[in-house]
Amino acid sequence: NFMLTQPLSVSGSPGKTVTISCTRSSGSIASNYVQWYQQRPGSAPTTVIYEDNQRPSGVPDRFSGSIDSSSNSASLIISGLKSEDEADYYCQSYDSSNQVFGGGTKLTVL
Amino acid sequence: QLQLQESGPGLVKPSETLSLTCTVSGGSFSRSSYYWAWIRQPPGKGLEWIGTIFYSGSTYYSPSLKSRVTISVDTSTNHFSLKLTSVTAADTAVYYCARHGWGGGTKDAFDFWGQGTMVTVSS
Repeated sequence: NFMLTQPLSVSGSPGKTVTISCTRSSGSIASNYVQWYQQRPGSAPTTVIYEDNQRPSGVPDRFSGSIDSSSNSASLIISGLKSEDEADYYCQSYDSSNQVFGGGTKLTVL
Repeated sequence: QLQLQESGPGLVKPSETLSLTCTVSGGSFSRSSYYWAWIRQPPGKGLEWIGTIFYSGSTYYSPSLKSRVTISVDTSTNHFSLKLTSVTAADTAVYYCARHGWGGGTKDAFDFWGQGTMVTVSS
């Protein structure tokens, strides 16, 4: 079974760009899609990126996703930071028999 | 619009069995290529996948919980259930049910979630 490792926290000022990484411990990051979820306090998570880089309808194009096979990691990039982006973010992927969530990253908008 | 709703006791005694049900409404449950999952989140901590079931009854469990978890489905009433045995304080969490894809042409995301239900393990 593999793990997904995220930084505990990231921060950025309004209007700036932040990147949250998600590193897969074993197996290729490219072998299974990576999803990203936003969770605000007291609410269920919502999808901001699915299948590595796809945005659900209603998610602003300030949110984008990518994968990097050389570092075996995925990234969530949020540009034009807004105060409303302050939340916890989780990456998620899977293999043939398991679903795995990263530990979560707290985004603070300064 | 698909909706999921968790239900069950909010308080369970140590060593007993936690039982929750997720009712699915607003969409087809059995004629679907999607999977149905339980996820939990201890207070102040991250998300943990517990397990998943397909409408046919095929199940997949987290290796760390496999010995204590059973997930079942009732397609006639559009609900699926979670049983977690021999609970301890470490099982105190918000429990979510959710729908997700898993390859096979469906969107590979947990795209619909219940609101979550808090379960406390305490005597």
